[in-house]
Amino acid sequence: GAVVSQHPSWVICKSGTSVKIECRSLDFQATTMFWYRQFPKQSLMLMATSNEGSKATYEQGVEKDKFLINHASLTLSTLTVTSAHPEDSSFYICSALWARRGRTGELFFGEGSRLTVL
Amino acid sequence: SQQGEEDPQALSIQEGENATMNCSYKTSINNLQWYRQNSGRGLVHLILIRSNEREKHSGRLRVTLDTSKKSSSLLITASRAADTASYFCATGGFGNEKLTFGTGTRLTIIP
Repeated sequence: GAVVSQHPSWVICKSGTSVKIECRSLDFQATTMFWYRQFPKQSLMLMATSNEGSKATYEQGVEKDKFLINHASLTLSTLTVTSAHPEDSSFYICSALWARRGRTGELFFGEGSRLTVL
Repeated sequence: SQQGEEDPQALSIQEGENATMNCSYKTSINNLQWYRQNSGRGLVHLILIRSNEREKHSGRLRVTLDTSKKSSSLLITASRAADTASYFCATGGFGNEKLTFGTGTRLTIIP
């Protein structure tokens, strides 16, 4: 299957700093990637849809100035948590849509990035 | 918002027994998928069932879908310790359709 890589897998930062998380599709091109947040023992909540070459689409209640998404190439989307606070501590997971001609697109997930804000 | 509610929220069974998890959803669907998530890891796609299918098998997995009741079940037969994980149902996820996850079931297999 296709591989999606997230980096870093875990990060600890001080309150007020910004943290960037990368999501890369390693062996396919993804015009669309998705960012999810997961709190402990809870489900995944979609934060935003990242579209290559255009602005991300944010879900209701997600602050776009807080969670900056950039999808500058067909294999890379980044999520930057700006001015992080302890309540931003969470597990962030990306997925990439592999859309092949004549076939239904498939989603592949990264391994997630655990953010801890002190 | 969640599309699906799963029950039970947590399930512990002895190794070798069968595990059944249920998912109910709210809106009409084209397909329903099941994913597994090991603790602190990403998601692994298990199986997809289309809205015109009633049952699907994959190895030790059996999924059923009842569109009239807006519900699906995942059965894992002859459970193994390695099956310990959280299991999520999800709807959507194709084309530009957003993938929306259920609340999940935490399965623990006791050796």
